Amino acid sequence: AQSVTQLGSHVSVSEGALVLLRCNYSSSVPPYLFWYVQYPNQGLQLLLKYTTGATLVKGINGFEAEFKKSETSFHLTKPSAHMSDAAEYFCAVSVAAGNKLTFGGGTRVLVKP
Amino acid sequence: GAGVSQSPSNKVTEKGKDVELRCDPISGHTALYWYRQRLGQGLEFLIYFQGNSAPDKSGLPSDRFSAERTGESVSTLTIQRTQQEDSAVYLCASSQGLGHYEQYFGPGTRLTVT
Repeated sequence: AQSVTQLGSHVSVSEGALVLLRCNYSSSVPPYLFWYVQYPNQGLQLLLKYTTGATLVKGINGFEAEFKKSETSFHLTKPSAHMSDAAEYFCAVSVAAGNKLTFGGGTRVLVKP
Repeated sequence: GAGVSQSPSNKVTEKGKDVELRCDPISGHTALYWYRQRLGQGLEFLIYFQGNSAPDKSGLPSDRFSAERTGESVSTLTIQRTQQEDSAVYLCASSQGLGHYEQYFGPGTRLTVT
């Protein structure tokens, strides 16, 4: 079985500052990793995903994440926060069969002007 | 094209009543998933359908929960004898198939059991 841990249920950053959201996973097989964003009263939108190949993946809205197998991590970063980045972010993992996603608890990001 | 749609967007029901939640996937998507998001928690997988294969029901929390899918079209999630702990946002997603295709999520149905 797989699991996902997101460190910090709430993160507050200043506009223009680095955004760093932490995600660690547990999986008995090579994982496929995802970051989703959920804006208020909306469904989830895929930010980026890692399946195979390059371990640094770039997503939408200037976000990127790096898969580090040795650390079982898939942290999400953005160099400069924008007010529009205020949302809840979910890290998720899936394995080969079924593609069902196992989600972390989510991190709510607040951006201060 | 149209995304995943869900209805109703909000549902308030009394404890003990049955409810049906509907999901219309993206046309052509063979895989369909249901997840639950309880307040302050992450998403929990409930069930998925893939083509004509038997659904994976491993995430359903009790036998009060069931789901059906008509071919590769609409799905309904039914909760019988609702309990207050069933209050949550129920999210549906669809994808082109298995093999790590992106899942596209609907806006969800917010269920409140009073």
